[in-house]
Amino acid sequence: AIQLTQSPSSLSASVGDRVTITCRASQGISSALAWYQQKPGKAPKLLIYDASSLESGVPSRFSGSGSGTDFTLTISSLQPEDFATYYCQQFNSYLSYTFGQGTKLEIK
Amino acid sequence: EVQLVESGGGLVQPGRSLRLSCAASGFTFDDYAMHWVRQAPGKGLEWVSGISWNSGSIGYADSVKGRFTISRDNAKNSLYLQMNSLRAEDTALYYCAKDSTGAAAGSFDYWGQGTLVTVSS
Repeated sequence: AIQLTQSPSSLSASVGDRVTITCRASQGISSALAWYQQKPGKAPKLLIYDASSLESGVPSRFSGSGSGTDFTLTISSLQPEDFATYYCQQFNSYLSYTFGQGTKLEIK
Repeated sequence: EVQLVESGGGLVQPGRSLRLSCAASGFTFDDYAMHWVRQAPGKGLEWVSGISWNSGSIGYADSVKGRFTISRDNAKNSLYLQMNSLRAEDTALYYCAKDSTGAAAGSFDYWGQGTLVTVSS
């Protein structure tokens, strides 16, 4: 099974900061990667699909990049509502999906 | 508006069974693959099972293979998860999620609010 490793596992940042989260796949997955945001007590929300495509309604401060094994999620200027846990997910391996372990973004 | 509403969770003893349901609305259900994803208390997300639009392709995580069965009824706009031989490690919030494709080859663009399954004696 394809493993996804996110780094860092947790991150403290301030409003207005630029933040980058990394997701590394154990083997190449082309661009079959998504990013989700989850707030406490809520369901995950799709932010980015196909590694770099912004889901409709998601603010443009969120962006994704990468292909193959290395991917990044960048938030250009953190807003108070962005403090949450972020997960990457691969869907390259048909009907054998995996998520990264998550990155908790906290207020500094 | 897309809505996914899970039901069927509860407290169950180890070794027993439970059937989860997910009622879908706001989109053409039989055009899209569907999935179950779970989250143990305080832990990350784990994909459990997925099914293509016509039930022609089905997959399971190794952790549930042979114990869980996914199915769908397109006439009822519903997704199901039959869970047998439940274990303590199956305790989790179970989410129903809509695939962005019919073939179960995309990201999950809509999620329900989840139904809690607790396996304990």
